[in-house]
Amino acid sequence: GAGVSQTPSNKVTEKGKYVELRCDPISGHTALYWYRQSLGQGPEFLIYFQGTGAADDSGLPNDRFFAVRPEGSVSTLKIQRTERGDSAVYLCASSLGLYGPQHFGDGTRLSIL
Amino acid sequence: AQKITQTQPGMFVQEKEAVTLDCTYDTSDPSYGLFWYKQPSSGEMIFLIYQGSYDQQNATEGRYSLNFQKARKSANLVISASQLGDSAMYFCAMREGNRDDKIIFGKGTRLHILP
Repeated sequence: GAGVSQTPSNKVTEKGKYVELRCDPISGHTALYWYRQSLGQGPEFLIYFQGTGAADDSGLPNDRFFAVRPEGSVSTLKIQRTERGDSAVYLCASSLGLYGPQHFGDGTRLSIL
Repeated sequence: AQKITQTQPGMFVQEKEAVTLDCTYDTSDPSYGLFWYKQPSSGEMIFLIYQGSYDQQNATEGRYSLNFQKARKSANLVISASQLGDSAMYFCAMREGNRDDKIIFGKGTRLHILP
């Protein structure tokens, strides 16, 4: 469909491993966001891209987390040296711009064993 | 201080009744936007309705309406004629400023519609 696409839908890995989560936004949407949702909580902001650049990365919890959007479309969230506390659903959203709602993907459920 | 407060962790409502989900917000920015999202058990976040801080009228979208009381900093969601499919988590959220920025979510309200 034409919605935000996130892959993989589920990822299980061992503590200490490196993971990459991919987000393909709605075509034409210039703004892209990553959120993290822990069980029983609302989504928490991680990082926001306008085009290729990270306009606001204030929500990244530490330097193990990094995200890129090299061509202004697809984005990858990268987590190094994963910890059990990183287990959550990682949501990606995109929007057209000012005043527009953010449209979310189905998320990637990340489980760190 | 929390930016978005949803005081009802869970609600049970009889099918076909109207339901009001509470949301209060905190911001000193005169320009902001308020959103409601629905998250069924399947996990996707579904956009329901939007209210801008300068909008004169309350937003409506089908069975959803937003009761916007600016002076009280309140943005309650009203669902009319509830249906079994309305059972889900509902999140109130806010974007501050006149820009394309992150949105801040509340902790959500879990709504159960009873047959």
